[in-house]
Amino acid sequence: GESVGLHLPTLSVQEGDNSIINCAYSNSASDYFIWYKQESGKGPQFIIDIRSNMDKRQGQRVTVLLNKTVKHLSLQIAATQPGDSAVYFCAETYTNAGKSTFGDGTTLTVKP
Amino acid sequence: DAGVTQSPTHLIKTRGQQVTLRCSPKSGHDTVSWYQQALGQGPQFIFQYYEEEERQRGNFPDRFSGHQFPNYSSELNVNALLLGDSALYLCASSRREGYNSPLHFGNGTRLTVT
Repeated sequence: GESVGLHLPTLSVQEGDNSIINCAYSNSASDYFIWYKQESGKGPQFIIDIRSNMDKRQGQRVTVLLNKTVKHLSLQIAATQPGDSAVYFCAETYTNAGKSTFGDGTTLTVKP
Repeated sequence: DAGVTQSPTHLIKTRGQQVTLRCSPKSGHDTVSWYQQALGQGPQFIFQYYEEEERQRGNFPDRFSGHQFPNYSSELNVNALLLGDSALYLCASSRREGYNSPLHFGNGTRLTVT
């Protein structure tokens, strides 16, 4: 069946360090992947996405890497800041699926 | 430009009761999806509405039903509430055109069943 999993449930980093959050997916038909950030008391917020015809995409301080061979997705956050503390979810979907499948998330804590 | 709005923000119900949650999508969006998020877990897909019809459904019992109105707003109804229905219910909107676009979420309705 479909599943999207994160390798680590929690991650603690020092302010200013780079963070890497990993995610594994199992549906080889997935062709669109999204990272969301969820702060306490709020809904998930879009960070960055990538389509299956790409292996890397960069945004402002964030980079997503996609390795389709091993069905692995990662989110890199440069110069992590206290405001980056949140739960991060990867989600996968495929054309005409209608739904996105989420993993259980990684809680990122940034220490000052 | 208002984002996705949900009401109410919090709700306490008793087992066996029925509940209705409401959602207004982001301006310009025509598709509404509902997700259930249990504590410490990722959102789980309930169903999706487009053109006032249920288009996709996740692994949820018939106690969960919905509706979409001509103005694209949506309701989620849950009958015969169980303790296990306690969760954060998230509404997400998107545009049907330009398939494969990120979801825009509201801040959810926290439902507690006692």
